[in-house]
Amino acid sequence: AQTVTQSQPEMSVQEAETVTLSCTYDTSENNYYLFWYKQPPSRQMILVIRQEAYKQQNATENRFSVNFQKAAKSFSLKISDSQLGDTAMYFCAFLNAGGTSYGKLTFGQGTILTVHP
Amino acid sequence: DVKVTQSSRYLVKRTGEKVFLECVQDMDHENMFWYRQDPGLGLRLIYFSYDVKMKEKGDIPEGYSVSREKKERFSLILESASTNQTSMYLCASTPEEGWHYGYTFGSGTRLTVV
Repeated sequence: AQTVTQSQPEMSVQEAETVTLSCTYDTSENNYYLFWYKQPPSRQMILVIRQEAYKQQNATENRFSVNFQKAAKSFSLKISDSQLGDTAMYFCAFLNAGGTSYGKLTFGQGTILTVHP
Repeated sequence: DVKVTQSSRYLVKRTGEKVFLECVQDMDHENMFWYRQDPGLGLRLIYFSYDVKMKEKGDIPEGYSVSREKKERFSLILESASTNQTSMYLCASTPEEGWHYGYTFGSGTRLTVV
């Protein structure tokens, strides 16, 4: 079974600065996908960024980028030029592409990010 | 845009009641999921369904059941609600083709069992 660990329960950052959220995972699979989801106070889960395990290149989406280290099973999220609207709970998630847990998202514990003005 | 709608945003029920949480998606997705979210534990999978009339247990199915009579609707049932089922419940869906692009979530039902 896969496990996803987010070791930072809470983080804070000043507006316009950069912050990195950590995520590690454990799997014996070789083909999988990794995600970061954002959950603001409205509770609506929003997909922030997606990484395919077989791609070496790190995914980027505007101010959001990841550092994907497959051998280390690490998948951190970097938020540049932080904005007040980035304040939310962030979840790291793993999606297996095969095997018995195919198609099921496994989530980490979440990190609460607060952006201060 | 795909929309996943959960019928109640907040719900308060009494211990022992039978509780139905409803989820409807409007984009003809084959796959639907129920998660519960608790502080410090993240989201944990309760049940999922890959097709109508189909259901599979997730990681924490005890005390829950599900029903999927129509493709667009996936119901979570608490047969006899208990206080330890007080939680946030999130429904999600994904198409059979394109499941690897991630889930679309509803905005959650916060259930309190008293």
